[in-house]
Amino acid sequence: RKEVEQDPGPFNVPEGATVAFNCTYSNSASQSLFWYRQDCRKEPKLLMSVYSSGNEDGRFTAQLNRASQYISLLIRDSKLSDSATYLCVVNPYNTDKLIFGTGTRLQVFP
Amino acid sequence: DTEVTQTPKHLVMGMTNKKSLKCEQHMGHRAMYWYKQKAKKPPELMFVYSYEKLSINESVPSRFSPECPNSSLLNLHLHALQPEDSALYLCASSPGQGVLYEQYFGPGTRLTVT
Repeated sequence: RKEVEQDPGPFNVPEGATVAFNCTYSNSASQSLFWYRQDCRKEPKLLMSVYSSGNEDGRFTAQLNRASQYISLLIRDSKLSDSATYLCVVNPYNTDKLIFGTGTRLQVFP
Repeated sequence: DTEVTQTPKHLVMGMTNKKSLKCEQHMGHRAMYWYKQKAKKPPELMFVYSYEKLSINESVPSRFSPECPNSSLLNLHLHALQPEDSALYLCASSPGQGVLYEQYFGPGTRLTVT
């Protein structure tokens, strides 16, 4: 089983749609979790950290279920500029590594 | 300003060449990282420097040699590379090493080995 698993997509959605991505991780001692986005041929950029209570940043909401080792990212009112690959990233406890999922590709069309 | 800069943006080198990749950050971050990313794959960690000391080497072949001259700079020296080493090389930094610290990535150097 991979350490971090994501549905690769692609998710093709119209502008204005709501879309959700899921991610599961195998290391129950994972301490920190993040969502990064990566545009084609660009570097990953931090989108948001994921906190136990769940957190929201504008149109983006992250949820964490530690018992199920599952995190999600919800994007509301999708924009064309949201088209990218969304990487689920896990920092296992007591290590200095980030473990990346393979990413979920989102394509928003007009 | 969360900026990490990398030079060069693109590099083409032969298998007998020696070249270096450079990374710089002025955010006062104390941990710096090298990643390798192949097309349609996630980044793979290569090295971690913490407080200018190498703390993690992910069993990277010796033809890749990292160097951290000071807390703002990180180099990756390349020698006798193979065509399969062609990839995007990403540098990242974070305020410290360990949990809870987000990493900020530079734009990368796209390396082609011929």
